[in-house]
Amino acid sequence: AQSVAQPEDQVNVAEGNPLTVKCTYSVSGNPYLFWYVQYPNRGLQFLLKYITGDNLVKGSYGFEAEFNKSQTSFHLKKPSALVSDSALYFCAVRDFSGNTPLVFGKGTRLSVIA
Amino acid sequence: GAGVSQSPRYKVAKRGQDVALRCDPISGHVSLFWYQQALGQGPEFLTYFQNEAQLDKSGLPSDRFFAERPEGSVSTLKIQRTQQEDSAVYLCASSSDRVRGTDTQYFGPGTRLTVL
Repeated sequence: AQSVAQPEDQVNVAEGNPLTVKCTYSVSGNPYLFWYVQYPNRGLQFLLKYITGDNLVKGSYGFEAEFNKSQTSFHLKKPSALVSDSALYFCAVRDFSGNTPLVFGKGTRLSVIA
Repeated sequence: GAGVSQSPRYKVAKRGQDVALRCDPISGHVSLFWYQQALGQGPEFLTYFQNEAQLDKSGLPSDRFFAERPEGSVSTLKIQRTQQEDSAVYLCASSSDRVRGTDTQYFGPGTRLTVL
């Protein structure tokens, strides 16, 4: 069965500093990986995805993520955090080989402090 | 109509009532998904449609949950005899993916259901 782990419930970072939100996954085949962001009372907004190709994926709002197959990780990063980045971030995975649903992590709350 | 829309945004039901939640996907999107998001959790898959065909309903928690998409566009999630444990945000997503693979799912704002 596929699964996603987001080991940190909360990440705090000062504005202007780099941020990292961690995600590790487990699938039996090759993974499709996604990051979404959720603002209060809003649905999930797509940030970026890894399907195949370059391990470094660039997405919306200056975010990027690095696929690391050996560590089964897909950490979300941004070089310089903004207060407006404060939100709930979800990592999701599905198995390339199976007709299986998208599985989400529990989410990580990012707080960027001015 | 650029995005996925859902209605109502908020629904309060008394235990035992039936509710119906509506989803309008992005125009032309073939695939439609329903998720349940409990407080403090990530979304959990409920069911999947490709056009009007319900291809996966493995995530529906009980036979009180029923979803339909009769014309391959708008979808309705119905919950019969609601229970307090049904309280959650119900998210709808659509994608242009015909093979349920790589395409991005775009989410609506959700319906927050509270069962008293």
